[in-house]
Amino acid sequence: QSALTQPRSVSGSPGQSVTISCTGTSSDVGGYNLVSWYQQHPGKAPKLMIYDVTKRPSGVPDRFSGSKSGNTASLTISGLQAEDESDYYCCSYAGSYTMIFGGGTKLTVL
Amino acid sequence: EVQLVESGGGLVQPGGSLRLSCAASGFTFSSYEMNWVRQAPGKGLEWVSYISGSGGTISYADSVKGRFSISRDNAKNSVFLQMNSLRVEDTAVYYCARLNNYFDCWGQGTLVTVSS
Repeated sequence: QSALTQPRSVSGSPGQSVTISCTGTSSDVGGYNLVSWYQQHPGKAPKLMIYDVTKRPSGVPDRFSGSKSGNTASLTISGLQAEDESDYYCCSYAGSYTMIFGGGTKLTVL
Repeated sequence: EVQLVESGGGLVQPGGSLRLSCAASGFTFSSYEMNWVRQAPGKGLEWVSYISGSGGTISYADSVKGRFSISRDNAKNSVFLQMNSLRVEDTAVYYCARLNNYFDCWGQGTLVTVSS
């Protein structure tokens, strides 16, 4: 049950696009279309941003999008805004009613 | 409004026990799988435990297996986490989260500190 691999940090200027990767194995990310992404501001509970790899909950801006190729999922944020600065976590179903998170990525908006 | 409210956190000595509770409201509780997720200070999210809507299926992360026990009372719209043989490394904010193939609702968290 090792954590999914995410970059520790990414950055971008307002208006730019950034992509956060999330690498797992064929037993989790690659095996199921059940990858989700969460945004977490300091001291707050995580907030669902993307589910089932590509779907956005109502209320989440369409600047946020998800994709997956093989054992790697990605979250892309386009048109970066200051309020996007946060920690982001990926999560995948890993079989046998277990879930696994990524180590988290700190997004800095320059 | 869908809401999850955790309680029961606090300071406990290594080797001690603590029972966390999560009260749910605003949805048909028995229809949903529930989980506990924790976050150590300054660290990332870690999935801890899962329980099905009926309570008949349960799973645990390897890090807590044999020490933690999850349960639920659908009549009281509550899920619990019994934590025994606590270790310093169990220190974290513990979140209750509703699972819908993804975690679509989270509580505010309750802090558990294991220290002598």
